[in-house]
Amino acid sequence: EADIYQTPRYLVIGTGKKITLECSQTMGHDKMYWYQQDPGMELHLIHYSYGVNSTEKGDLSSESTVSRIRTEHFPLTLESARPSHTSQYLCASSGRTSTDTQYFGPGTRLTVL
Amino acid sequence: AQRVTQPEKLLSVFKGAPVELKCNYSYSGSPELFWYVQYSRQRLQLLLRHISRESIKGFTADLNKGETSFHLKKPFAQEEDSAMYYCALSRFSGNTPLVFGKGTRLSVIA
Repeated sequence: EADIYQTPRYLVIGTGKKITLECSQTMGHDKMYWYQQDPGMELHLIHYSYGVNSTEKGDLSSESTVSRIRTEHFPLTLESARPSHTSQYLCASSGRTSTDTQYFGPGTRLTVL
Repeated sequence: AQRVTQPEKLLSVFKGAPVELKCNYSYSGSPELFWYVQYSRQRLQLLLRHISRESIKGFTADLNKGETSFHLKKPFAQEEDSAMYYCALSRFSGNTPLVFGKGTRLSVIA
């Protein structure tokens, strides 16, 4: 079934750890996105990609990095997690045109102690 | 620059009352407007888009280019409508990500 998957769903780690949040989609979409969202609050776009080997920074300055080596996979990495990174991270994907619907994953709730 | 404004952070209405969630945008070209909804413990999902001109779960939204608005309306609110609603804008000819508003939390009181 076509879907967007995010792992882990919940993560609690200590300050200074390196983490990678996984996102994969079986929607056949070219475009993928990462958002940061405190629960029930505003969405902040932190990274996006329009295809393999293409990544761009979003509106919100972020210390994270992303890669897009495969169409279906768009992982986000924090080299050294800090308490300020505590948030929910949403992955999304959409088709080729700018008017295509964005589909969102279930999110990863990250807590940095 | 494109911008989407949702002036109300929280909107509380009684069950059966009409609902209007406001959305204003700034963009000089031809926009595509969307409403996304996030129910408690569920994924953010598309509710409706102006180009479809359809009613979803009793909600409608009309694009008013003169007032640069895309307000979401429902004549009779239901408790299950309680959720977070986000208005979003895309450029028809551009290749940039959606621009989201800050969201409005709708609370329907029984």
